[in-house]
Amino acid sequence: GDSVTQMEGPVTLSEEAFLTINCTYTATGYPSLFWYVQYPGEGLQLLLKATKADDKGSNKGFEATYRKETTSFHLEKGSVQVSDSAVYFCALYSSNTGKLIFGQGTTLQVKP
Amino acid sequence: ETGVTQTPRHLVMGMTNKKSLKCEQHLGHNAMYWYKQSAKKPLELMFVYSLEERVENNSVPSRFSPECPNSSHLFLHLHTLQPEDSALYLCASRKEEGGTYEQYFGPGTRLTVT
Repeated sequence: GDSVTQMEGPVTLSEEAFLTINCTYTATGYPSLFWYVQYPGEGLQLLLKATKADDKGSNKGFEATYRKETTSFHLEKGSVQVSDSAVYFCALYSSNTGKLIFGQGTTLQVKP
Repeated sequence: ETGVTQTPRHLVMGMTNKKSLKCEQHLGHNAMYWYKQSAKKPLELMFVYSLEERVENNSVPSRFSPECPNSSHLFLHLHTLQPEDSALYLCASRKEEGGTYEQYFGPGTRLTVT
């Protein structure tokens, strides 16, 4: 079935460091892909999305490119801030099941 | 208010209590979802309502009973819960037409069963 795999966390970075959180997926067809972020004590917020191959989603300095050839949607940010500390979830919309399929989440901790 | 709201934000209940969680969306969406988020476990989809009709029930125990009286409101009625039901319960909504598939989440209700 359709699935999403994220890199294991936690990821600990210093402020202004470069961030990459890897995400790969298994799905039939061309699923829409998403990154959600969950700040402490809050629900999930949609961070960015891409709906077709080679699309780049971007928001708040974060970017992710839909790579069909490698079935990946890695999240990147050039310079992280302490306020980016959160749990990040990669997800896809499964046309097979009509559901959002989430990865297990990656915790990011940014230190001053 | 805008977006998806949930009340209460925190709830502590005994195993013999009956309580309800409430979700309200102000986005004009027509599908609503309940998820359970437990520590160290993937997000679990519990129930799906589309146009106020339940279309998904993922083998959730009967001590959880959803209700969707209209497209803006969703409830989760709780009774005789177990300590392992302690978790963050998230509500989400989506607009089913238009080819977009993202869901919008509320802040969640942190439930503790004692």
